[in-house]
Amino acid sequence: AQSVAQPEDQVNVAEGNPLTVKCTYSVSGNPYLFWYVQYPNRGLQFLLKYITGDNLVKGSYGFEAEFNKSQTSFHLKKPSALVSDSALYFCAVRVPSSNTGKLIFGQGTTLQVKP
Amino acid sequence: DAGITQSPRYKITETGRQVTLMCHQTWSHSYMFWYRQDLGHGLRLIYYSAAADITDKGEVPDGYVVSRSKTENFPLTLESATRSQTSVYFCASTGRGSGRSSTDTQYFGPGTRLTVL
Repeated sequence: AQSVAQPEDQVNVAEGNPLTVKCTYSVSGNPYLFWYVQYPNRGLQFLLKYITGDNLVKGSYGFEAEFNKSQTSFHLKKPSALVSDSALYFCAVRVPSSNTGKLIFGQGTTLQVKP
Repeated sequence: DAGITQSPRYKITETGRQVTLMCHQTWSHSYMFWYRQDLGHGLRLIYYSAAADITDKGEVPDGYVVSRSKTENFPLTLESATRSQTSVYFCASTGRGSGRSSTDTQYFGPGTRLTVL
């Protein structure tokens, strides 16, 4: 079965420190991978995606993610966290054989950045 | 660029009542999706649609009905609401082609918070 795992329910980091939010996936074929962010009482906002090419993908708000095929991971990173980065983060994978754009989401990770 | 909107944003109803949640997108995207978000479950797909008059079940379709008579609208109906359907509902869309019209990325509405008493 195809799935996405976010092993941490919550990540705490001090402002100015680097942050990592982890994501691993299990799909057959070459995956399309996504990160979304959700602020309180808002919808999900697209952050970045990996389709093909360079394993390091840069996205909005200074976030980046590294695709690692051998470890089947797509961890979200930022060199210096801001308090305003505090939100719920979702990793998602598109079913490779699907042309409908259907996504499978992880459970979400709450990022808490403390001043 | 109005994007994707949902209405109502908040709804309280009673068990057994019929409720319809509306979703409207202005991008002429082919594909539209309904998700529910519950603590501990992330987002789960309820129904999706590939085009007008083409719909298909997702992971948790029971108790829900959808229709898509026009490309831009994708209403979700709870025919007889139950307490277990208390949730936050998100609509999303994605298209064909390139850029914002591609199927690479789903774009989400602001959500509807539904409470069933």
